[in-house]
Amino acid sequence: QKEVEQNSGPLSVPEGAIASLNCTYSDRGSQSFFWYRQYSGKSPELIMFIYSNGDKEDGRFTAQLNKASQYVSLLIRDSQPSDSATYLCAVKGNSNYQLIWGAGTKLIIKP
Amino acid sequence: GAGVSQSPSNKVTEKGKDVELRCDPISGHTALYWYRQSLGQGLEFLIYFQGNSAPDKSGLPSDRFSAERTGGSVSTLTIQRTQQEDSAVYLCASRFGPSTDTQYFGPGTRLTVL
Repeated sequence: QKEVEQNSGPLSVPEGAIASLNCTYSDRGSQSFFWYRQYSGKSPELIMFIYSNGDKEDGRFTAQLNKASQYVSLLIRDSQPSDSATYLCAVKGNSNYQLIWGAGTKLIIKP
Repeated sequence: GAGVSQSPSNKVTEKGKDVELRCDPISGHTALYWYRQSLGQGLEFLIYFQGNSAPDKSGLPSDRFSAERTGGSVSTLTIQRTQQEDSAVYLCASRFGPSTDTQYFGPGTRLTVL
């Protein structure tokens, strides 16, 4: 059974600090990795995707991928209260269509 | 279209009734997915369409659930003889095609079975 694991949280971070969200996956053949944000009562929206080992930066967000250790992280710099949401990690394995979803980490940014 | 649309946004029904949920994907997107999300839970995959075909129906919970897609566009998820455990948010997502992986979600339909 291919799995994607996330700490359910909640993860509480003070405003202005760095929030670090982690995700591990079981399928070593996984190729593509996604972070989605889901506000309460809303649908998931894509934040970033990453395919290659290393870091990928987009504004305040940085995705980090380590295929050898089978984890992917999302860093949010200068956290804002508006970043409070559930963050979903999704991983594409060998299939050409299926994403395997983590259960999400609830992030709370405290003013 | 500008994004994935779903209707209705909310549906309240009585146990035992049938319901139809509609998804209109982004124009040109060939792949379409249905997911279910119960309160406070993760995404549960239901079914995947490529064009009008459904090569993966493995997530449909029971034979009360069915889905179709016509014209490579609009999809309908039908739940027959609804049960209280069917209450959830039903999310539709679309993807451009085989060369891309990103799924774009609609706003969802919140189904409540009384």
